[in-house]
Amino acid sequence: AQSVTQLGSHVSVSEGALVLLRCNYSSSVPPYLFWYVQYPNQGLQLLLKYTSAATLVKGINGFEAEFKKSETSFHLTKPSAHMSDAAEYFCAVSKSNDYKLSFGAGTTVTVRA
Amino acid sequence: NAGVMQNPRHLVRRRGQEARLRCSPMKGHSHVYWYRQLPEEGLKFMVYLQKENIIDESGMPKERFSAEFPKEGPSILRIQQVVRGDSAAYFCASSPGQGSGNIQYFGAGTRLSVL
Repeated sequence: AQSVTQLGSHVSVSEGALVLLRCNYSSSVPPYLFWYVQYPNQGLQLLLKYTSAATLVKGINGFEAEFKKSETSFHLTKPSAHMSDAAEYFCAVSKSNDYKLSFGAGTTVTVRA
Repeated sequence: NAGVMQNPRHLVRRRGQEARLRCSPMKGHSHVYWYRQLPEEGLKFMVYLQKENIIDESGMPKERFSAEFPKEGPSILRIQQVVRGDSAAYFCASSPGQGSGNIQYFGAGTRLSVL
């Protein structure tokens, strides 16, 4: 079975500072990995995905994530936080041949001016 | 270019009533997924449907919950005799199907409150 652990339920960063959100997964087969963002009272929007191609994945809004098989990690980063990045972020995993997404508990990001 | 549409956005029910949640997938998508998000938790898979077929309902509670995706019309998640523990956000997602890299597109959710 797949599972996801997101370290830190809340992260606070200053505007312009690095954003780092941690995600570790477990999977019995090569995984597909995803980061989604949820703004208040909205649905989840796909930020980026890893599907066994390049290990460094670039997404929307300046975010990127690196797949590290040896560490079973898929951490999300953005070099410079913007106020509009304040949201909740979810890491998710699925088997490459499956459809069920398993989500982490989420990390809420606040950005200080 | 409408995305996944869910309605209602908010639903209030008293204990024992029925709740019906609707989901219209993105145009061209024939695969629908329902997830439930309890407070302070991530989304949990409930059920996966294709037109007129339930493919996997392993995440659905055994009683009171049912889902359908008819040939015509939206997918419906139905909760009978709601209890306070059913209060949650219910999200629907859709995908074009096999070969899409399992990218699922989510609706804005229905927030169910049971009084």
